[in-house]
Amino acid sequence: RKEVEQDPGPFNVPEGATVAFNCTYSNSASQSFFWYRQDCRKEPKLLMSVYSSGNEDGRFTAQLNRASQYISLLIRDSKLSDSATYLCVVVTTSGTYKYIFGTGTRLKVLA
Amino acid sequence: ETGVTQTPRHLVMGMTNKKSLKCEQHLGHNAMYWYKQSAKKPLELMFVYSLEERVENNSVPSRFSPECPNSSHLFLHLHTLQPEDSALYLCASSQDWGQPQHFGDGTRLSIL
Repeated sequence: RKEVEQDPGPFNVPEGATVAFNCTYSNSASQSFFWYRQDCRKEPKLLMSVYSSGNEDGRFTAQLNRASQYISLLIRDSKLSDSATYLCVVVTTSGTYKYIFGTGTRLKVLA
Repeated sequence: ETGVTQTPRHLVMGMTNKKSLKCEQHLGHNAMYWYKQSAKKPLELMFVYSLEERVENNSVPSRFSPECPNSSHLFLHLHTLQPEDSALYLCASSQDWGQPQHFGDGTRLSIL
């Protein structure tokens, strides 16, 4: 089983739609979680950290489910500019910090 | 965003050349990282420096040699690379090891 798994997509959604991505992780000792977005041929950019109680930033909501070992990202009222690849990152500490990136989920928002 | 800058943006080199990638961060961060991103693969962590000390080397071939002269600068020295080393090389920094990372634009490397 991969350490971090994401559905590669693509998710094609109309403007204004709500879309959700999940990311599962295998190491129950994982401590920190982040969502990044990456545009084509660009660097990843931090979208938001994921906190245990869940957190929201405008149209974006992140959730953590430790029991089932997954994190989620919900995007409401999708915009054309949300089209990108969304990467989940899981940080595990077992002596050393280990950042593990998922392969990303591609989102296309259609006019 | 100019928090983390990488040069050059693009590099084409032969297998026998020696070149260096440069990364500079202006964020006052204590940790810096080198990643490799190949098509259809997740980012691969190559090296981690925390307070100028290398703390992680993920089984990277010796043809890649990192250098961290101070907390703001990170280099990746390249020599005798192979065609499969063609990829996007990303530098990142974080306040401390384990914190969210901020990435540079990357260097797109092509090995002939």
